[in-house]
Amino acid sequence: LAKTTQPISMDSYEGQEVNITCSHNNIATNDYITWYQQFPSQGPRFIIQGYKTKVTNEVASLFIPADRKSSTLSLPRVSLSDTAVYYCLVGNAGGTSYGKLTFGQGTILTVHP
Amino acid sequence: ETGVTQTPRHLVMGMTNKKSLKCEQHLGHNAMYWYKQSAKKPLELMFVYSLEERVENNSVPSRFSPECPNSSHLFLHLHTLQPEDSALYLCASSQGTGPRGNTGELFFGEGSRLTVL
Repeated sequence: LAKTTQPISMDSYEGQEVNITCSHNNIATNDYITWYQQFPSQGPRFIIQGYKTKVTNEVASLFIPADRKSSTLSLPRVSLSDTAVYYCLVGNAGGTSYGKLTFGQGTILTVHP
Repeated sequence: ETGVTQTPRHLVMGMTNKKSLKCEQHLGHNAMYWYKQSAKKPLELMFVYSLEERVENNSVPSRFSPECPNSSHLFLHLHTLQPEDSALYLCASSQGTGPRGNTGELFFGEGSRLTVL
């Protein structure tokens, strides 16, 4: 089971770029890396997913080094509405391995005016 | 709108009551999940169903009883709960079968906030 480690909290200001790093030293060959965003009293929402190198979509970028033992979520030009908890999830529930889809503590991002 | 709908959004029940949480997904997925999120704790995986068969049960007390009548619906039946069971219960779905399995792209509902008195 690929355990993930993230900073508990981060602070930023509007307009800045925010990078949140997740460590997953025992990631398996067929594991994917997925990031979620969660607002209070709501379900987590998928942000981005990758396997290796760099992935970019309309809201974020995901950087994964060659050894895949960590990943960095990059949020460009954050706004107040980006204040949320961000989770890194590592796994591949092929077959009956659904128990691998467990979440860590997450990172509380607070964006200040 | 994520395509996963949970009802009720809020539920208050006594320890002797019996109630059920309902989840419905409109995404054509074949795997559904129940997660529990207590205050200031990470999400805890409770149950997983794939193609209507339970494939994961993470040592959840028997006072929680899941039911998956078809691939679009998932229930969590509650009876004789304890105050510490008060939490946000989240349902999720994914395309969980095939050669790539489930890569971790989960679609969550808004959750059901449960308070046990």
